[in-house]
Amino acid sequence: AQRVTQPEKLLSVFKGAPVELKCNYSYSGSPELFWYVQYSRQRLQLLLRHISRESIKGFTADLNKGETSFHLKKPFAQEEDSAMYYCALSGSRGSTLGRLYFGRGTQLTVWP
Amino acid sequence: EAGVAQSPRYKIIEKRQSVAFWCNPISGHATLYWYQQILGQGPKLLIQFQNNGVVDDSQLPKDRFSAERLKGVDSTLKIQPAKLEDSAVYLCASSLKPSDRDRYEQYFGPGTRLTVT
Repeated sequence: AQRVTQPEKLLSVFKGAPVELKCNYSYSGSPELFWYVQYSRQRLQLLLRHISRESIKGFTADLNKGETSFHLKKPFAQEEDSAMYYCALSGSRGSTLGRLYFGRGTQLTVWP
Repeated sequence: EAGVAQSPRYKIIEKRQSVAFWCNPISGHATLYWYQQILGQGPKLLIQFQNNGVVDDSQLPKDRFSAERLKGVDSTLKIQPAKLEDSAVYLCASSLKPSDRDRYEQYFGPGTRLTVT
């Protein structure tokens, strides 16, 4: 069964410190992995996807199939990064194609 | 481009009452999703439409929830009768089509916060 685990409900760091939000998944196949972000009073929006291999707002995430992880990283956190971050998985076949399975989210707070 | 629209934004009802939510996806988006997000959890898919057909409703509690997308554009989600555990944010999202691996991005609406008392 598909599952996304975000072990940290809350994460706090100081401005300028590195930040890593953890995400582990289970899926019997080749999933698509995403990070979605929700800033205060804004809509849930896509931050990045593993297939694009791009850096968005200084964030990167590498898919590690051996460890079934897709951790989100940023070397120097900024106050505007404070938000709720959701890791999500989409299946690659059948009824799971395009369907998103979300983790419970990690609330990141960056202190000045 | 205009984003996904949802209404109402907030709704408070008593248990056993009925409620309906409306969603208008981004123009041209063939796929529409309804999610339920209970406090402290991530969104959970309730139903997925491709145009006006249901692709996946395996997580929809069909004894009380129903959804339709008659003309393949906007959609309504109904709960009848509501229970206390239905208190949640109901999110609507749309995407171009799920079969294109480069276009999986789902665009979310602002959500409807439902409180059942």
